[in-house]
Amino acid sequence: DVKVTQSSRYLVKRTGEKVFLECVQDMDHENMFWYRQDPGLGLRLIYFSYDVKMKEKGDIPEGYSVSREKKERFSLILESASTNQTSMYLCASRTGQRFTDTQYFGPGTRLTVL
Amino acid sequence: QKEVEQNSGPLSVPEGAIASLNCTYSDRVSQSFFWYRQYSGKSPELIMSIYSNGDKEDGRFTAQLNKASQYVSLLIRDSQPSDSATYLCAVRRNSGGYQKVTFGTGTKLQVIP
Repeated sequence: DVKVTQSSRYLVKRTGEKVFLECVQDMDHENMFWYRQDPGLGLRLIYFSYDVKMKEKGDIPEGYSVSREKKERFSLILESASTNQTSMYLCASRTGQRFTDTQYFGPGTRLTVL
Repeated sequence: QKEVEQNSGPLSVPEGAIASLNCTYSDRVSQSFFWYRQYSGKSPELIMSIYSNGDKEDGRFTAQLNKASQYVSLLIRDSQPSDSATYLCAVRRNSGGYQKVTFGTGTKLQVIP
């Protein structure tokens, strides 16, 4: 079974704090993704990575950065958290770029910024 | 026009009935189509994938794809209360050398006992 884990299920931070969300996958997947999910807006891609040390902006990268130093780990960083970053954050991983490859999600981190 | 559109629902069906969930997409070059189930407070779970026109069946679930009309649907036969969840349609296409996945906002399904 593919396993994607995220460092926290629930997180409460204050405005201006630096926030780290970590994601680890155990299936040697090349591609990893960070999404946020908000009511009425669905899943929106923040950043993705197709290889170690590689990153690409998704649809809403502003206010976020990422790090991928090891193949199995993909971190999302909120440099200075703001209240509009309160959301459910979902990490996902996928084998490669074939159109049949399946994408698996982690359990999610519900972040509240006060 | 949204890339992937779903009716938000809720779609209410009685237990044992067929639930029909629909999704339309705008990009004709889309290659892969997925249905995810998401329970409240949980992450999405893949339940079906379909790549070519026609029907694909897996247990009580049938995915239907019509590329000419740009829609994909999910039928759930013998609906159970445990099927109550939000169903996300996802469409994948090649974009700039990457496989880009776009999700719909989901249809909430309620199965009434």
